[in-house]
Amino acid sequence: DSGVTQTPKHLITATGQRVTLRCSPRSGDLSVYWYQQSLDQGLQFLIQYYNGEERAKGNILERFSAQQFPDLHSELNLSSLELGDSALYFCASSVGLGNIQYFGAGTRLSVL
Amino acid sequence: GNSVTQMEGPVTLSEEAFLTINCTYTATGYPSLFWYVQYPGEGLQLLLKATKADDKGSNKGFEATYRKETTSFHLEKGSVQVSDSAVYFCALALNSGNTPLVFGKGTRLSVIA
Repeated sequence: DSGVTQTPKHLITATGQRVTLRCSPRSGDLSVYWYQQSLDQGLQFLIQYYNGEERAKGNILERFSAQQFPDLHSELNLSSLELGDSALYFCASSVGLGNIQYFGAGTRLSVL
Repeated sequence: GNSVTQMEGPVTLSEEAFLTINCTYTATGYPSLFWYVQYPGEGLQLLLKATKADDKGSNKGFEATYRKETTSFHLEKGSVQVSDSAVYFCALALNSGNTPLVFGKGTRLSVIA
């Protein structure tokens, strides 16, 4: 158990809908990262937060947004969902910037 | 830009065989290098890491040496077990401290008894 908790484990929804994925980092970790894992793109970095502030942005679509709350948990919001958004979404956390990242078990999103 | 290239899978080996999974990288800067493993239905777990040239990371019988001259970080294990069946990801992070991981495509390993 990495100590990073992601909910829900599975999510099935329809095109055009909006969903929220939640991540609780390991106790004491200030940095949260979101990654998308799909068959064609592999593991792609989406966005990083550090202590509530956005720190780095990767290949994140404009339809996607995220935030990190004062208690350090993070949410990834995906809207106007398309079939191609179906993927595994991982959250990872680390103590600070550039340290080892610990991954949650992921949320599997299926857009039908 | 920064990128990681690892050998295509899947790789199928018999138990107790020797494993090598090749990984090379391109980086603007001086990266730390990682191997992560993903068991079926689970998230990624850090397997080993190396932060500077000639460092050897090791864990659970797996080893990888940071070779700056060949920009490589190949994963090896002398004798694989069925329980090693998983997907292995090579990754880098720049030592600037605020960059996320850049992953290779992953290599699926199946070990048969």
